[in-house]
Amino acid sequence: DTGVSQDPRHKITKRGQNVTFRCDPISEHNRLYWYRQTLGQGPEFLTYFQNEAQLEKSRLLSDRFSAERPKGSFSTLEIQRTEQGDSAMYLCASSYGGIGQTAFFGQGTRLTVV
Amino acid sequence: TQLLEQSPQFLSIQEGENLTVYCNSSSVFSSLQWYRQEPGEGPVLLVTVVTGGEVKKLKRLTFQFGDARKDSSLHITAAQPGDTGLYLCAGAGGGTSYGKLTFGQGTILTVHP
Repeated sequence: DTGVSQDPRHKITKRGQNVTFRCDPISEHNRLYWYRQTLGQGPEFLTYFQNEAQLEKSRLLSDRFSAERPKGSFSTLEIQRTEQGDSAMYLCASSYGGIGQTAFFGQGTRLTVV
Repeated sequence: TQLLEQSPQFLSIQEGENLTVYCNSSSVFSSLQWYRQEPGEGPVLLVTVVTGGEVKKLKRLTFQFGDARKDSSLHITAAQPGDTGLYLCAGAGGGTSYGKLTFGQGTILTVHP
């Protein structure tokens, strides 16, 4: 068990560019979550998958954001036409399904849009 | 929409003091988790509480889940500089959203030597 892995750890991009982040969950976990955290705030839910199915999306996830988990293993989060307001820490977490199951987080991807 | 109010937002204390962080909501959660986060890193799990009234101890940290599963507290005894960090509570929803977490705003704890 190597934990949840996110890549890259840091990304600096120019406004208007597209970026893609990758998350590799703990291998046995069927649930995968994406959160966004801005400075001084707690993480905010973006979306989650059970296996390859995307079950819920937050209203925070505008149409510039898309997430996939094609084979129920790793996931990608793409942001198109980035804006300065997209600058944040993007966190991925995974868990088993079921009530009381704990979510384990990756180290996050810090995005800075300049 | 479920909300978690976490207090205090900032806490600056001397080594050896005790402290309590509170998380309150009007919503019922299926479970509640406490995390600690260092700058530039992801949250690291401290504990998960599931049963109303549950109390868990982790060395100098004591976690309590309210009887109605709407609130929780974290108590640290004899704080040390190594306890410095951001503490987050997070409640898990019910039904099909049982894994989705609603986070509090966080408590930034600074323990001075």
